[in-house]
Amino acid sequence: AQSVTQPDIHITVSEGASLELRCNYSYGATPYLFWYVQSPGQGLQLLLKYFSGDTLVQGIKGFEAEFKRSQSSFNLRKPSVHWSDAAEYFCAVGAAPGRRALTFGSGTRLQVQP
Amino acid sequence: EPEVTQTPSHQVTQMGQEVILRCVPISNHLYFYWYRQILGQKVEFLVSFYNNEISEKSEIFDDQFSVERPDGSNFTLKIRSTKLEDSAMYFCASGQGAAETQYFGPGTRLLVL
Repeated sequence: AQSVTQPDIHITVSEGASLELRCNYSYGATPYLFWYVQSPGQGLQLLLKYFSGDTLVQGIKGFEAEFKRSQSSFNLRKPSVHWSDAAEYFCAVGAAPGRRALTFGSGTRLQVQP
Repeated sequence: EPEVTQTPSHQVTQMGQEVILRCVPISNHLYFYWYRQILGQKVEFLVSFYNNEISEKSEIFDDQFSVERPDGSNFTLKIRSTKLEDSAMYFCASGQGAAETQYFGPGTRLLVL
């Protein structure tokens, strides 16, 4: 069965600092990978996705993520964090053969210090 | 930009009552989903729906749950007899294809007392 691990429950960074949120997945074939962001009281907004091709994908709000098959990872990065990036970030894996359900990680809560 | 909408945003109900959560998916999407997120926990898949039938469901989606697409635009989740443990945020999502991106609505927060 597919699974997603986000090892960091909570991360605090200073505004302007770089950010990397970790995501490891378990899946038998090439996965479809997603990062979603959830601001307090809000729904899930898609930041970026990886289906195939270039392993470095660009998303909205200046985020990028790199798919590394050898490490089963899909880490999210941003070179300079803004206070408005404070939110919860979810990594998800989807589209196992015959399945459409997304499997989510437990999320990483990002706090941004001024 | 088209988006998924959900109503109501909040619902409070008594244990044992029936609730219907409503969603309007993005208009040209063919695949529809419900997920839930219990407070402080991860988002969990409930059910997917395509071509007017359930295509996949999780263990959570037992006989107390049902989904329907009553017309060309709405997609509903019904909980027949709510339990305390049904309290959660319920998200609707839609996608164009089976392996395509799922776009999520803002959620309905359900509180069962």
